[in-house]
Order: sequence, then structure tokens, then C-alpha cells
Amino acid sequence: SQQGEEDPQALSIQEGENATMNCSYKTSINNLQWYRQNSGRGLVHLILIRSNEREKHSGRLRVTLDTSKKSSSLLITASRAADTASYFCATDATETSGSRLTFGEGTQLTVNP
Amino acid sequence: DSGVTQTPKHLITATGQRVTLRCSPRSGDLSVYWYQQSLDQGLQFLIQYYNGEERAKGNILERFSAQQFPDLHSELNLSSLELGDSALYFCASSVTAAYNEQFFGPGTRLTVL
Repeated sequence: SQQGEEDPQALSIQEGENATMNCSYKTSINNLQWYRQNSGRGLVHLILIRSNEREKHSGRLRVTLDTSKKSSSLLITASRAADTASYFCATDATETSGSRLTFGEGTQLTVNP
Repeated sequence: DSGVTQTPKHLITATGQRVTLRCSPRSGDLSVYWYQQSLDQGLQFLIQYYNGEERAKGNILERFSAQQFPDLHSELNLSSLELGDSALYFCASSVTAAYNEQFFGPGTRLTVL
């Protein structure tokens, strides 16, 4: 079963608007990562936020993490048509010897030109 | 381009058959991960190797096995294939065994007829 749950499942906005996607998870984590996937293609790593961080920025992306609420959000500002993709959060509850990412079901973002 | 390569891109085979998927990690990465993405199960972690040793295991079926070779490339072997094994199989790599970003390859699309 998926640990993370993204909300909303689908989001449609106009170019230039901001897009916010949320992720909730159930267990303690070491870090949380956001990925983008264009239809049927590989996942592109966007950003990693560690459990002791509350906010992180990368270009037009802003990620927040609230470990007390077990939730994270991804904000894409000034969206572009090229941002159309599925966005996944993935939690890393690494054991000492190895790592595994547990993915949510994703948010399908459509940015209309 | 993440620097992770996977071959083949597409594979079509019949039930009961055996296939091998290949992955070359990014230069310098010692850890390799395998994930399965299907419509009903989403993205699922299968297994991780670090410098030739198994480090973490997910819900990988007994019919599936993997290994990482001295040159760090990895192979995922799927045997006694069933229709439900049809999926996208992704390989990812990272520098260390834990706590890092994982970089994904373009995937191998397996179709079992």
C-alpha cells in the first residue's frame, strides 16, 4: 500500500497561476522527495527535504514539510504549459543499511496555455 | 537525462517466459534500486543493492530476482511471467546507500501477453 497520499488527485490551472499539491504520510521519515513524471516516462527528481527542515526552495518550486502533521506541500509558482505532468511525493524511512522510497499515488497537473 | 540507462526500452513476451532487464547507474553511484509502476499498484519499491550487496527489499515476488555486478550495473530477472507483471520497471541510482536523492532511468515497459 502507498504511504503517501497526494491531494488533489488532479489539478487544472491556467498558465501563470500557482499550483499547490499536498502530500500526507503515515510513519516517521528521514526525508521526503518530490518527483515529476511526464506521461509514461521516467521520474525526474525535483527536490529533497530532510526531516529537520521546514521549507526548501528550488527555482519556481517551494516545498514545505510539517513532521508534526506528517504532511508536505509542493508549490509551483508562475506555472507553464511545460509543467504539465504527474507529481509524486516519496517518503524515505531509511533503515540503517539501506533505503527505500514509498510513493504516493500522484497529482496530475494540467497547465493550460 | 538523469545519467541512468536502462535496456531494453520495450519488451513484449508471453506468459511463462523469463526476461532480464538491465540498468547502468550514474557514474559514481554505488547504489541501485528497482521499482515497478503499474496502474493498479502504483510505484512500488522492489529491491536495493549497494556496491554488490543487497541492502533493502520490498514486496518483490519470489519469481523476481536481481543482482549488482562488480562494474555496478544491475539486472532484474523476472521469471514465470504472468499477465499481471505487465508494468513499467524503473531503475534508480544514488551515491550512497541511504539518505540521498535517487535518480531514475527512463524505464523498461514490459508487456506480457
